[in-house]
Amino acid sequence: SAVISQKPSRDICQRGTSLTIQCQVDSQVTMMFWYRQQPGQSLTLIATANQGSEATYESGFVIDKFPISRPNLTFSTLTVSNMSPEDSSIYLCSVDVAGTQYFGPGTRLLVL
Amino acid sequence: AQSVTQLDSQVPVFEEAPVELRCNYSSSVSVYLFWYVQYPNQGLQLLLKYLSGSTLVESINGFEAEFNKSQTSFHLRKPSVHISDTAEYFCAVIIAQGGSEKLVFGKGTKLTVNP
Repeated sequence: SAVISQKPSRDICQRGTSLTIQCQVDSQVTMMFWYRQQPGQSLTLIATANQGSEATYESGFVIDKFPISRPNLTFSTLTVSNMSPEDSSIYLCSVDVAGTQYFGPGTRLLVL
Repeated sequence: AQSVTQLDSQVPVFEEAPVELRCNYSSSVSVYLFWYVQYPNQGLQLLLKYLSGSTLVESINGFEAEFNKSQTSFHLRKPSVHISDTAEYFCAVIIAQGGSEKLVFGKGTKLTVNP
């Protein structure tokens, strides 16, 4: 398995601002993922972030809105840019270890 | 087509009663199946998984799930629930898409265990 931490755990932000979420893993992993869980909904994959390459975004998500960095095998960041109330969600990072995905505790974002 | 379907959005039960949370998957997807649990105000935790081998898989807290290929199901069961089992449970499946694999989640089932 893997131990994953995220910062911040929660935040309240004003519309039009940006927030960067950090994800740290206790071991080196090739594949990291970012998900969004809107209130009362299931998880939706935003993008896959592999070290050394550009992130791959799912339909409906674009790099300008959700830029991702993956500087090494244990760390990634997701930025939620120019936020609106519709971006209020839980954002989770995940890593693949031997074909199983493990999740961080999530970042709860409220945009006012 | 929906890759994974959780038919029940909410399941209320009394403590010590048995429970079954249903999950059906599309026959066109892989047979790598997972159940995740999300306790109130917490992140997602892996509960159990089926990748190959025995069709009955168990978790450490008494849950089990059986992979049934003919019925394309992976229902989650527990013979006697505790109040602490109150949580949202997500069934998930690996699908191959665009040359890569990704994890797709069902809509979740909220299990509420009442005293």
